[in-house]
Amino acid sequence: KAGVTQTPRYLIKTRGQQVTLSCSPISGHRSVSWYQQTPGQGLQFLFEYFSETQRNKGNFPGRFSGRQFSNSRSEMNVSTLELGDSALYLCASSLGTVPQETQYFGPGTRLLVL
Amino acid sequence: GQNIDQPTEMTATEGAIVQINCTYQTSGFNGLFWYQQHAGEAPTFLSYNVLDGLEEKGRFSSFLSRSKGYSYLLLKELQMKDSASYLCAVIPASGGSYIPTFGRGTSLIVHP
Repeated sequence: KAGVTQTPRYLIKTRGQQVTLSCSPISGHRSVSWYQQTPGQGLQFLFEYFSETQRNKGNFPGRFSGRQFSNSRSEMNVSTLELGDSALYLCASSLGTVPQETQYFGPGTRLLVL
Repeated sequence: GQNIDQPTEMTATEGAIVQINCTYQTSGFNGLFWYQQHAGEAPTFLSYNVLDGLEEKGRFSSFLSRSKGYSYLLLKELQMKDSASYLCAVIPASGGSYIPTFGRGTSLIVHP
């Protein structure tokens, strides 16, 4: 089975711009979660989508949004970028049916905001 | 709220044994994961514990005590490639959420 893929792998943007990141889950996985990882804060949960619906949401401002398509692929959008948004953005997929399932992570998109 | 604590950094010698501790305070408990993350790479699954006791998997073992809110990851016969960050993650039991809460990770440095 192919793993979780994320595009692009690296991105440089300037303050005020917006960005869209993409995640393709493992085939058959219906849950996609997004995380922000920074050296200071560690791995922080952004949101989770299951069957095209946002099922869980973390404590991030409304500038961070996402969506999921019928094929379970997911996109994350950040509007009005700030310097503090520079981070590694990871997505993880799972079947999404029970809490004990392992999440499988993609390689991440490293975003640098200048 | 959820709170997970791990040491920030540990160092050990190749061939030795190291124990990485994780303590947690969460609203309910539905299991604890350990992930390994090499620099610049994605986290990869190491172990899952939901019942008290020790789970052994090759050179890696994970222990859980739910009454103490405590887990550890034990790495034996350390190799240089074990240098990585080790993430502890707990699944709380609040509101049916399946989302793990992660600790900040423990950076393990293995030296010759």
